[in-house]
Amino acid sequence: GIQVEQSPPDLILQEGANSTLRCNFSDSVNNLQWFHQNPWGQLINLFYIPSGTKQNGRLSATTVATERYSLLYISSSQTTDSGVYFCAVEYGRGSEKLVFGKGTKLTVNP
Amino acid sequence: DVKVTQSSRYLVKRTGEKVFLECVQDMDHENMFWYRQDPGLGLRLIYFSYDVKMKEKGDIPEGYSVSREKKERFSLILESASTNQTSMYLCASRLAGSSYEQYFGPGTRLTVT
Repeated sequence: GIQVEQSPPDLILQEGANSTLRCNFSDSVNNLQWFHQNPWGQLINLFYIPSGTKQNGRLSATTVATERYSLLYISSSQTTDSGVYFCAVEYGRGSEKLVFGKGTKLTVNP
Repeated sequence: DVKVTQSSRYLVKRTGEKVFLECVQDMDHENMFWYRQDPGLGLRLIYFSYDVKMKEKGDIPEGYSVSREKKERFSLILESASTNQTSMYLCASRLAGSSYEQYFGPGTRLTVT
């Protein structure tokens, strides 16, 4: 099956800093999503981005499908950005199931 | 906005009890999913349903069953709860076909004592 690897596993920032999270995947994908899991456990949709670049406020994401990676950029980080960021991909014909990476745990200190 | 709700945020059950976890979505999604999340193991798919009364095993179905009698509701059943089923359970839904976003409920933290 497909491998989804996220890096770094842990990241500690001071408020206001910028960061880049990476997701590598081992096969072609039909779908790629980024999620943020807040401290209460809820997974919040950030981006649906199988290819290209999207921006939403301080967050943006780029997926280069031909090179099998995606990047999530967080600018001017805030303490509320803390949590775990997951990349998830769907691959193969008719799968309709996401395969998740292990996540990047982000801690933003005031 | 898509809304996926789960019946409980926290649940404590005893070993051997039958446990029902309920999930409801309000966006007429065909596909619904149950995952469990454990430290160091990430999210693992338990069961998947692609239509009413239709189901497919995920990666870790042992010890679980599911029921989907109505399109909006997907239930996870622990026939005889065990301590190794203590976990965070997450429900999700999406439209059928590729190229659609998946949405998650708030999660149920289950403790089996």
